Amino acid sequence: DQQVKQNSPSLSVQEGRISILNCDYTNSMFDYFLWYKKYPAEGPTFLISISSIKDKNEDGRFTVFLNKSAKHLSLHIVPSQPGDSAVYFCAASATNNNDMRFGAGTRLTVKP
Amino acid sequence: DTAVSQTPKYLVTQMGNDKSIKCEQNLGHDTMYWYKQDSKKFLKIMFSYNNKELIINETVPNRFSPKSPDKAHLNLHINSLELGDSAVYFCASSLRTGGEVLFFGSGTQLSVL
Repeated sequence: DQQVKQNSPSLSVQEGRISILNCDYTNSMFDYFLWYKKYPAEGPTFLISISSIKDKNEDGRFTVFLNKSAKHLSLHIVPSQPGDSAVYFCAASATNNNDMRFGAGTRLTVKP
Repeated sequence: DTAVSQTPKYLVTQMGNDKSIKCEQNLGHDTMYWYKQDSKKFLKIMFSYNNKELIINETVPNRFSPKSPDKAHLNLHINSLELGDSAVYFCASSLRTGGEVLFFGSGTQLSVL
């Protein structure tokens, strides 16, 4: 029962360009959405989040967009840097539920 | 100063053995978790503890038994290891339950031969 889906296993972009990572979810009870970044041999680290009361949250080069009607969120990285190369996990949870669900991840490669 | 630390980082063992993975967090968080990353790279929750009490116990074989001696520690003991248990296991913690950012350990790569 995959409630959070990342349909693109990989993405390659040129340094300086925009990276757009997509995520879809099925559970309408989710009200908190997060993106985590993971380097090899390390645990996922929190990158940015958004509450369901918002449709956009920005933090430096990272912006997350939420479209509740489409049950879709995306992460924009502008400009992309080689150090952004990692696996990005989308995650979602409900406020009163301890069960955070993760997508399968998208491997981003930023080429110099 | 590592916030969530788990040991060992690598664990190679034979089928049928019993093994433990230890996890400690120094963030003062109330809630701790065990996640499993399988071969398809999905991160799936296994257990969640809040202040030493079990909150979530997903459909996990009862060969897996978490133990929380205090709210800073959540260890995972696995009995009678099977080939299918091979995966990366991540410990995590959060300030409270529900709608919180998770802080992850670096993972334990378990290989069952």
